[in-house]
Amino acid sequence: GQNIDQPTEMTATEGAIVQINCTYQTSGFNGLFWYQQHAGEAPTFLSYNVLDGLEEKGRFSSFLSRSKGYSYLLLKELQMKDSASYLCAVRDSNYQLIWGAGTKLIINP
Amino acid sequence: IAGITQAPTSQILAAGRRMTLRCTQDMRHNAMYWYRQDLGLGLRLIHYSNTAGTTGKGEVPDGYSVSRANTDDFPLTLASAVPSQTSVYFCASSVLPSGTDTQYFGPGTRLTVL
Repeated sequence: GQNIDQPTEMTATEGAIVQINCTYQTSGFNGLFWYQQHAGEAPTFLSYNVLDGLEEKGRFSSFLSRSKGYSYLLLKELQMKDSASYLCAVRDSNYQLIWGAGTKLIINP
Repeated sequence: IAGITQAPTSQILAAGRRMTLRCTQDMRHNAMYWYRQDLGLGLRLIHYSNTAGTTGKGEVPDGYSVSRANTDDFPLTLASAVPSQTSVYFCASSVLPSGTDTQYFGPGTRLTVL
């Protein structure tokens, strides 16, 4: 079967750095996405990786290792507004997105 | 309209009733999707449409039907609602169904079936 694993919840401090991991086992791979979802709101796109390596976009970076079936989202200089759930999704061989359950990030002042 | 709209925002429905969730996008995206989101689970694809006039089944299609008569609209119908269909429903769209294309989500419909 297809599976995406993420930690259920993480806690960090304002101004710090946090890394949210995602491991996947899917039938085929056509890219990995990270989305942010604030409570009660719709998911919004953060990043996309299809090749191995690090993609940096401002305070957020995303890393992919296809051989290990592994990705992480790195958030730097955490702000209170970063409190949200972070969803990892993999596009499989049928070009359908398989979603993880999400990681709820709690940021303390 | 800007982006994707969904209606209603929330609904309480008696079991056995028929219900249609509406979704409209004004971005001229080719592909549209319906997901449900339940606590502790990832988004699960119900149905999708890669282009107007075509639809396909996702991971959890039973009890749901869709149509795609034009580019903008993608309604989701529950023919006879059951309590297990209580969920938050998100409609999404993308320019293309494959490649680097990202999905844009509507604000969601919170449905409670009693």
